[in-house]
Amino acid sequence: AQSVTQPDIHITVSEGASLELRCNYSYGATPYLFWYVQSPGQGLQLLLKYFSGDTLVQGIKGFEAEFKRSQSSFNLRKPSVHWSDAAEYFCAVGGGGYNKLIFGAGTRLAVHP
Amino acid sequence: DSGVTQTPKHLITATGQRVTLRCSPRSGDLSVYWYQQSLDQGLQFLIQYYNGEERAKGNILERFSAQQFPDLHSELNLSSLELGDSALYFCASEGGKGYTFGSGTRLTVV
Repeated sequence: AQSVTQPDIHITVSEGASLELRCNYSYGATPYLFWYVQSPGQGLQLLLKYFSGDTLVQGIKGFEAEFKRSQSSFNLRKPSVHWSDAAEYFCAVGGGGYNKLIFGAGTRLAVHP
Repeated sequence: DSGVTQTPKHLITATGQRVTLRCSPRSGDLSVYWYQQSLDQGLQFLIQYYNGEERAKGNILERFSAQQFPDLHSELNLSSLELGDSALYFCASEGGKGYTFGSGTRLTVV
């Protein structure tokens, strides 16, 4: 079955600390992987995506993610978190080629000053 | 502006009513997806259209229907609305450059 698991529902970090949000997926074909961010009451903004090639992907706002096929993971990282990063983060997997995206349940990030 | 336009942005209606949500995809994108985001169900895929034809169906209730028109805009029709249908409804379009989401329509059923 196709699925995405984000094990952490809530994460709290201090401003300036590093961040890693976990994502594991199950997908029968070659996965296309995505991270989106959603601020309260807002839409989904794409942070980064992985289709192929270099397994370390750079995104916007200083985020990066690493695709590890052997672990079926696509964890999101940021070396130093800013208060404005507080939001909900969604990992998603799709097959490309006009196949739907499957989303994880999301991880809500809180940032302490 | 993502290039995907959803209207209206907010909608408040009573139980039992019918509403239509509209999505205009990014120029050149042939495929439209509809998602429902609620607090208890997360982001759920409802339905996909490709160039006017239904391509995939997800957790869409029988009270809900959708279509994609020749100009590629799509409409999601929700009828016999219940309190539990209150949610944020997103559409996304897909073309050669991946998926692009609209800002959503927030539906409140009272």
